[in-house]
Amino acid sequence: DAGITQSPRYKITETGRQVTLMCHQTWSHSYMFWYRQDLGHGLRLIYYSAAADITDKGEVPDGYVVSRSKTENFPLTLESATRSQTSVYFCASRPLGGGAGEQYFGPGTRLTVT
Amino acid sequence: RKEVEQDPGPFNVPEGATVAFNCTYSNSASQSFFWYRQDCRKEPKLLMSVYSSGNEDGRFTAQLNRASQYISLLIRDSKLSDSATYLCVVTPTAAAGNKLTFGGGTRVLVKP
Repeated sequence: DAGITQSPRYKITETGRQVTLMCHQTWSHSYMFWYRQDLGHGLRLIYYSAAADITDKGEVPDGYVVSRSKTENFPLTLESATRSQTSVYFCASRPLGGGAGEQYFGPGTRLTVT
Repeated sequence: RKEVEQDPGPFNVPEGATVAFNCTYSNSASQSFFWYRQDCRKEPKLLMSVYSSGNEDGRFTAQLNRASQYISLLIRDSKLSDSATYLCVVTPTAAAGNKLTFGGGTRVLVKP
């Protein structure tokens, strides 16, 4: 039971490059989320998706793009990476009938932008 | 003012002792409340929901005080394995739906 996986787990990239972080879940959960976690800010929602082809902005969406063509995948793209996007990125999912707080998180991607 | 605030700690707790800490939220219309646990360099995991009447799960007790706008978590008989960061999570309003707001976390260190 793989659950929710993220790749890569670690990534170093240069300012200005495009980076895509992958998220895959095997539960067929309707909702998927992307968060970033930084010291002093806690976890902040970047984007979320209620179903395939339905996405919406969270608290800090600028500089990020998401898509969801299949229920199980929810990639996050940094179109032109900046140093301020150095962070730990967590993907999460939750089932349609689950409580709002019942989110299941992936192991995270540690991204460093140099 | 942050929407959800927590004392970052660390709370240094002797093994077997009781520890309690709070989380305050600024939006009085907040709907749902949760505690998550996050181990060092790991993903957050749901610990428990917080109900208006309070709830208990083994050694963990969560309380909600809507009048003063805070939730609390109490850990009894602390174990070494309870060492973690505890995240307070709030659903701001019914309209916010899936948008959870996380506090910065309270770090708990249980020592022998």
